Amino acid sequence: QVQLVQSGAEVKKPGASVKVSCKASGYTFTSHYIHWVRQAPGQGLEWMGLINPGGGSTNYAQNFQGRVTMTRDTSTNTVYLELSSLRSEDTAVYFCARWVGGEGDYWGQGTLVTVSS
Amino acid sequence: QSALTQPPSASGSPGQSVTISCTGTSSDVGGYNYVSWYHQHPGKAPKLMIYEVTKRPSGVPDRFSGSKSGNTASLTVSGLQAEDEADYYCISYAGSNNYVFGTGTKVTVL
Repeated sequence: QVQLVQSGAEVKKPGASVKVSCKASGYTFTSHYIHWVRQAPGQGLEWMGLINPGGGSTNYAQNFQGRVTMTRDTSTNTVYLELSSLRSEDTAVYFCARWVGGEGDYWGQGTLVTVSS
Repeated sequence: QSALTQPPSASGSPGQSVTISCTGTSSDVGGYNYVSWYHQHPGKAPKLMIYEVTKRPSGVPDRFSGSKSGNTASLTVSGLQAEDEADYYCISYAGSNNYVFGTGTKVTVL
């Protein structure tokens, strides 16, 4: 069965970087884009960007350009989200999702990133 | 890219229907038939309920239906049940491999 398993919670200081992983299984890893979505406490969902695990191409939401990097490792079927220059407003749960067509059909369990001095 | 506009809240009694709107522009909702809807229970990942405006994934009850007119998409939940109480989000393709979420709607079953 399709599964996306994310890495565990992180606590970071302002100005630091964080790298969250999302390990896919149960399907052909290179056949479906992976998107990243975040949700600040008590807030709505925010689309961050996508990566094509097949060729590695990416597209980032304008709000995150310059601070976000999405990469993949086809040997371990894992995608990574790295966010730099962290500030308190980046405290959120970060989700990865497998995209089919125009929608996310399977989601990871979420990773809480807390930014605090 | 601005978030799509959804009403903050909606409610209905068990058995009634509730409709949630999702308003964007001709550059997103109005320009593509890639609008999907998710519901999310507290502390959980979003779950896909409707995709490509009107289609239901297998396993989603036919009480859930979607539609679109111009720049506004809508989700209707008929025959409300207690387990339908959740936050609902729309998301639309916005061209050039970009997507935008709606602001979210909290549905309460009275």
